[in-house]
Amino acid sequence: GAVVSQHPSWVICKSGTSVKIECRSLDFQATTMFWYRQFPKQSLMLMATSNEGSKATYEQGVEKDKFLINHASLTLSTLTVTSAHPEDSSFYICSARGLAGDSDTQYFGPGTRLTVL
Amino acid sequence: GQNIDQPTEMTATEGAIVQINCTYQTSGFNGLFWYQQHAGEAPTFLSYNVLDGLEEKGRFSSFLSRSKGYSYLLLKELQMKDSASYLCAPMDSNYQLIWGAGTKLIIKP
Repeated sequence: GAVVSQHPSWVICKSGTSVKIECRSLDFQATTMFWYRQFPKQSLMLMATSNEGSKATYEQGVEKDKFLINHASLTLSTLTVTSAHPEDSSFYICSARGLAGDSDTQYFGPGTRLTVL
Repeated sequence: GQNIDQPTEMTATEGAIVQINCTYQTSGFNGLFWYQQHAGEAPTFLSYNVLDGLEEKGRFSSFLSRSKGYSYLLLKELQMKDSASYLCAPMDSNYQLIWGAGTKLIIKP
């Protein structure tokens, strides 16, 4: 139980294009989803927290107009990186927390590796 | 402020036991999580402690002392596949996980 999927696993795009990443909780309802970014050999950096049906809460320094988050259902959240640039290249990981076992536990998706050329 | 202190790197031998310590300071406390992260992969959940004491789960055990702001992860019968980073993540009063850089564990034959 408590499986979270992400799609795509990796993506390469040209500078200036937009990329959408999907995060799904497969066998539980996720009341809260989190989006993280991780650069090589660095710690996880929380970008935003989203609750189903409400606007995401962004961490300081994260541009909400650049990283669009939608959490339209209890099993799906999307992160859209708009007008991507090479500095946005990173490992993007979502996690979900909700009605699965211990409801305080965050279960992570496998991550999406984004490379912007 | 909120911070986590873990050793940056540890080395152990296959078949041995290793203890990874973590001290933390958070604004409020709602439990502490340990995650394992292999290079290039997302973290996977290992354990959750909310009360003081030891939680055992197979080869892995996790201990918590809330009064000391201290936790450890104990790994027994080490296997090569245990080579990974181990992340100690306390949860603050807002139910947010606080992340440090983790401990990179290297297992040698």
